[in-house]
Amino acid sequence: GAVVSQHPSRVICKSGTSVKIECRSLDFQATTMFWYRQFPKQSLMLMATSNEGSKATYEQGVEKDKFLINHASLTLSTLTVTSAHPEDSSFYICSAKVPPVNTEAFFGQGTRLTVV
Amino acid sequence: AQTVTQSQPEMSVQEAETVTLSCTYDTSESDYYLFWYKQPPSRQMILVIRQEAYKQQNATENRFSVNFQKAAKSFSLKISDSQLGDAAMYFCAYSNSGNTPLVFGKGTRLSVIA
Repeated sequence: GAVVSQHPSRVICKSGTSVKIECRSLDFQATTMFWYRQFPKQSLMLMATSNEGSKATYEQGVEKDKFLINHASLTLSTLTVTSAHPEDSSFYICSAKVPPVNTEAFFGQGTRLTVV
Repeated sequence: AQTVTQSQPEMSVQEAETVTLSCTYDTSESDYYLFWYKQPPSRQMILVIRQEAYKQQNATENRFSVNFQKAAKSFSLKISDSQLGDAAMYFCAYSNSGNTPLVFGKGTRLSVIA
């Protein structure tokens, strides 16, 4: 299957700082990537759809100014959590489908963010 | 909007036995895909099995098989000869055709008892 690599796997940051999470498609070009957030013992919640070369589409209730998404190339999407607060602590996962078939989604390893 | 419902928050099975995880979904689309993903403690999402809606034949992957009932919008996962490594969170997911995000159920936590 296709490989999606996410980095870092764990990060701890101080309140008020920003942290960037990278999501790369290693063996295919992803025009679209998806960012999810997962709270402990819960399901994946879609945050936004990242589109290469254009603005991301955010789900209702997700603050676009707090969660900045950039998809500047066909293999890289980044999620920046700005002015982080402890309530932003969570598990963040990216995924992508392989064009042109676009069937199953392949997932990054996830990033555990802890804001202290 | 599409929805996916998993009504079993937790399930347990004896090693070597068979267990079935339930999933129902709702959609008005005719062309779509259904998946079961496994999320072990590492939290890496692993595709277990997929089913194309246009295929009548149920998908199978080694010890994993599905019972796809399109009219009833039901998509259950059967795990045969359960192994300790099968213990994980299992998510049922739906996807339209095209480059659209997956819609996930709430998940079922499976425990395997030695």
